[in-house]
Amino acid sequence: QSVLTQPPSASGTPGQTVTISCSGSTSNVGSNSVFWYQQLPGTAPKLLIYRTNQRPSGVPDRFSGSKSGTSASLAISGLHSEDEGDYFCAVWDDSLSVVFGGGTKLTVL
Amino acid sequence: EVQLVESGGGLVQPGRSLTLSCAASGFIFQDHAMYWVRQSPGKGLEWVAGITWNSGTIGYADSVKGRFTISRDNAKNSLYLKMNSLRFEDTALYYCARDLYYETTGFNAAFDLWGLGTMVSVSS
Repeated sequence: QSVLTQPPSASGTPGQTVTISCSGSTSNVGSNSVFWYQQLPGTAPKLLIYRTNQRPSGVPDRFSGSKSGTSASLAISGLHSEDEGDYFCAVWDDSLSVVFGGGTKLTVL
Repeated sequence: EVQLVESGGGLVQPGRSLTLSCAASGFIFQDHAMYWVRQSPGKGLEWVAGITWNSGTIGYADSVKGRFTISRDNAKNSLYLKMNSLRFEDTALYYCARDLYYETTGFNAAFDLWGLGTMVSVSS
């Protein structure tokens, strides 16, 4: 059971917008920056969003992050087939550890 | 090339020890906090341990506290994880990861560079 709750799966067709949620508590999402990672099949995770809503250079602006209270979201607009993979949220928890969401498997139909 | 390369994984019996290494290249290693993150087969990510740039702050997940020791050698651009009293549930792909920020005094969840991982299998 992960500290951060994500839906196990999400799906969409090419061109659609998909949103993945990440629910936590006041000790993590509610008080610290949220980070999102993309893990394509057979590869290491890749930083997708940092500081809740910032994109590293090279990450398309189709990817965006937001937060409200103790919940965060990752939105992927203009869905591409190559976006298919696993997505994880991560936050520093005030109990002195990094916590991850259980991951959401994104399928592009 | 900017990269992290893990090594030292393998098959080990429960209760035994193993030491993982991570060789960094292409960036100023001593500027960044470093972490170990693991992923059990077919499962999600789990933060294992972190160490700040100057080893001033070290932290562990509750699941490994007292059994694992993280360390670094900035002169050798290397990160280590000494794992004692290994358990079946420690079986995972262990990633070395770099902190996005410079010279932090604490930890965060910003891992901007990852290695390919080294597999640890605990089995009798």
